[in-house]
Amino acid sequence: EAGVVQSPRYKIIEKKQPVAFWCNPISGHNTLYWYLQNLGQGPELLIRYENEEAVDDSQLPKDRFSAERLKGVDSTLKIQPAELGDSAVYLCASSLGNANTGELFFGEGSRLTVL
Amino acid sequence: GENVEQHPSTLSVQEGDSAVIKCTYSDSASNYFPWYKQELGKGPQLIIDIRSNVGEKKDQRIAVTLNKTAKHFSLHITETQPEDSAVYFCAARVGNTPLVFGKGTRLSVIA
Repeated sequence: EAGVVQSPRYKIIEKKQPVAFWCNPISGHNTLYWYLQNLGQGPELLIRYENEEAVDDSQLPKDRFSAERLKGVDSTLKIQPAELGDSAVYLCASSLGNANTGELFFGEGSRLTVL
Repeated sequence: GENVEQHPSTLSVQEGDSAVIKCTYSDSASNYFPWYKQELGKGPQLIIDIRSNVGEKKDQRIAVTLNKTAKHFSLHITETQPEDSAVYFCAARVGNTPLVFGKGTRLSVIA
């Protein structure tokens, strides 16, 4: 069974440019998460979806970050415009079940470098 | 909200020795405590978890202990092997709220 797939794996952009990350969760997993992982830190939740509904986005900087999960499957995380401090790894995870129950399965992450 | 502290930040052990990583949490209502292993260039992967109604759980060379009174839990790896080298994250969750992760421990097993 395929795991959580993310793309691109690496992205280098100049500040003020836009960037988008894509995530395909494990088939049948209705809950999808986007996490931010700064160097030497643990993952921090940005947004959680249950099916197509964003149920926890309190940590998402909404002035420049946006996310969507059309049809409750794939998800896209966008940053516009990117800032130097956005350089980090963006992890997508999925789980079977709702309300933060169950094991999280992470993708390999998308490493963003903003110059 | 919940706060999770993890120690040490780095740990080096000789192959075959044991490794212990400790975490403390702030919210006494936390009831789920997983441990994730992250290898270089990979996403974190669950290796073991424990719920608040259990004091200890073992899975082969890995064990987790929980002390609810002191609000701390620990990961124990026995007979360490080079492939155990990775970054380990503890996490805690209150009810149905999101997991809160520690900052990680980089474990190096020296052959």
